[in-house]
Amino acid sequence: KAGVTQTPRYLIKTRGQQVTLSCSPISGHRSVSWYQQTPGQGLQFLFEYFSETQRNKGNFPGRFSGRQFSNSRSEMNVSTLELGDSALYLCASSFPGTSTDTQYFGPGTRLTVL
Amino acid sequence: TQLLEQSPQFLSIQEGENLTVYCNSSSVFSSLQWYRQEPGEGPVLLVTVVTGGEVKKLKRLTFQFGDARKDSSLHITAAQPGDTGLYLCACVIYNQGGKLIFGQGTELSVKP
Repeated sequence: KAGVTQTPRYLIKTRGQQVTLSCSPISGHRSVSWYQQTPGQGLQFLFEYFSETQRNKGNFPGRFSGRQFSNSRSEMNVSTLELGDSALYLCASSFPGTSTDTQYFGPGTRLTVL
Repeated sequence: TQLLEQSPQFLSIQEGENLTVYCNSSSVFSSLQWYRQEPGEGPVLLVTVVTGGEVKKLKRLTFQFGDARKDSSLHITAAQPGDTGLYLCACVIYNQGGKLIFGQGTELSVKP
């Protein structure tokens, strides 16, 4: 089975721009979660989607949003980028989506904001 | 304030040495998880501990869950360069689904 894939792997943007990151979960997994990882704050939960609905949300501003499609693929969007948004964005999927006991992480998208 | 406090933050040792990483909290958890993350990769689940006092072994890695289910430790025996990486403890917060809350992590470097 293929693992969680994230595209693109690397991205460079400038302040004020917006960005969309994509995540394809493991086949059959219905829950997708997003995390932000920075040296200062560590790994922080952004949001979780299950069956196209946002089920949980972390403490991030409204500039961070996401969605999930009927095939469980997910995207997250960050609008009006700030320097502090530079981070590794990780996506994780789980099955059958009723708990997060075992989450499988993708390799992440490294976002640099200049 | 971090829900999970990990110590130490950084650890640099020689091959063959033993080490222990700690994950502490003032909260009680139904379970704790340990992950390892290598450069350029996402975290990979190593183990989940569920019962207070539980000890789990994964080759040279020994995981323990505290009796009160507030803390956990990871002990590595005879560390090898391949053990190098970021070790993270995490707890699951359930609320119509769940989310993982991670500790800050322990960056381990094992030199040959």
